[in-house]
Parts: sequence; C-alpha cells; structure tokens
Amino acid sequence: NAGVTQTPKFQVLKTGQSMTLQCAQDMNHEYMSWYRQDPGMGLRLIHYSVGAGITDQGEVPNGYNVSRSTTEDFPLRLLSAAPSQTSVYFCASRQLAGGDNEQFFGPGTRLTVL
Amino acid sequence: DAKTTQPPSMDCAEGRAANLPCNHSTISGNEYVYWYRQIHSQGPQYIIHGLKNNETNEMASLIITEDRKSSTLILPHATLRDTAVYYCIVRRANDYKLSFGAGTTVTVRA
Repeated sequence: NAGVTQTPKFQVLKTGQSMTLQCAQDMNHEYMSWYRQDPGMGLRLIHYSVGAGITDQGEVPNGYNVSRSTTEDFPLRLLSAAPSQTSVYFCASRQLAGGDNEQFFGPGTRLTVL
Repeated sequence: DAKTTQPPSMDCAEGRAANLPCNHSTISGNEYVYWYRQIHSQGPQYIIHGLKNNETNEMASLIITEDRKSSTLILPHATLRDTAVYYCIVRRANDYKLSFGAGTTVTVRA
C-alpha cells in the first residue's frame, strides 16, 4: 500500500491564484481530512469527509473548498490564494468502523503564497 | 474533547527510557487517549492509544492512571530518530476530529 499520498510537495502561488492540492489513499478508508500547520503550531482541521459525497467543515474552513467524488480522492481547492494561506497542508485518512482507529497522514504540501 | 496539558520540551539520553507525561483531568469515560509524533517536516505518525488499560506495542508503552486523569508515554530505549514533537490527544471513538495542541518537543541526545 502507498498509504496517503499528496501532490505537489511544494507550491508557490501569487495572491489571487487558484490551485488544487491533491490527496489520495489506497486503504479504502471512509474518513479523510485536511489539516494545515503554521510554523511552531499544532495542526488545525480545515475540512473532512466521512464518505463519497459527504463533506463538512472543520475549525478553519474559510478560503477552502473540498469535494469527495470517490473513496480514494479528497482534493482541497484554494479559489483565490491569500498570503495567510501560506502553510503546510496535511491530508489524513482512517477507517471509521470500530471507532478508535488510528489516523494515517500524508507527507504534506508546503504552500507559499506571495 | 477534553483538553490535554504537556510539558513544552524535554531532553532524553540515547538508550535510556523517555517518559512523556500528559494531563487530561477533564477526560470523560468514552474518550480515548492517543499519542502521535511528528518528526521534523513530516506528517504526524500514530504511536499508540488506549481507553483504560495500559497498552504496549512495538514502538512504545502507554500507562494510564486509574482515574484516567493523566497518562505517560514510554519510549523504552530512545534513539536519535525519536527526536520529534509528541502530541497527546483525547478523542471520543466516534468523533471525527483530532485536536492537536502544541505537544512536547523531545530531543534525544547522544
């Protein structure tokens, strides 16, 4: 299994540009989520999904859109990038059945908005 | 979710056991204690979790006090590769969110 994969690894955007961060998992996990991590801080939840067609907001959803058309993929869209969105973005997934399962994280995407 | 309190940093000698404390005095009966770590610039990595009983796996041991208000993560033989930020998190089984605090920065020294 590749686990959770994220592309790209690094990205530089100009203010106002749009882009999509890709996330995929091959573990057939129902739950997927996006976090952002600013320097010296813990992770904050942006959006999450509990299955195809189902998404919901986390702690810091403003400026980001998500969709879940398949179990495997959970892309994160920035419609109009702002310098405040400079951060490291992590995607995560876990199996929902059983409840107390561990969460698997991807390697992260480092985004800089100029 | 219950809040957790961890020391901001600690040092450990290579080859010795590292004991990482976590206080979660407001934990409720259906909340699990999870430990994750984040090695510099990488995605967080699951270590171990428990509800009431002590747990052990190939990476670490988790000791939860009888009143469940605190726990200790034990890395039995710390190596330089264990240098990381360690996060103690409490979560209900059916809760979707993991709430990451500041964690404990553990530095293992040769």
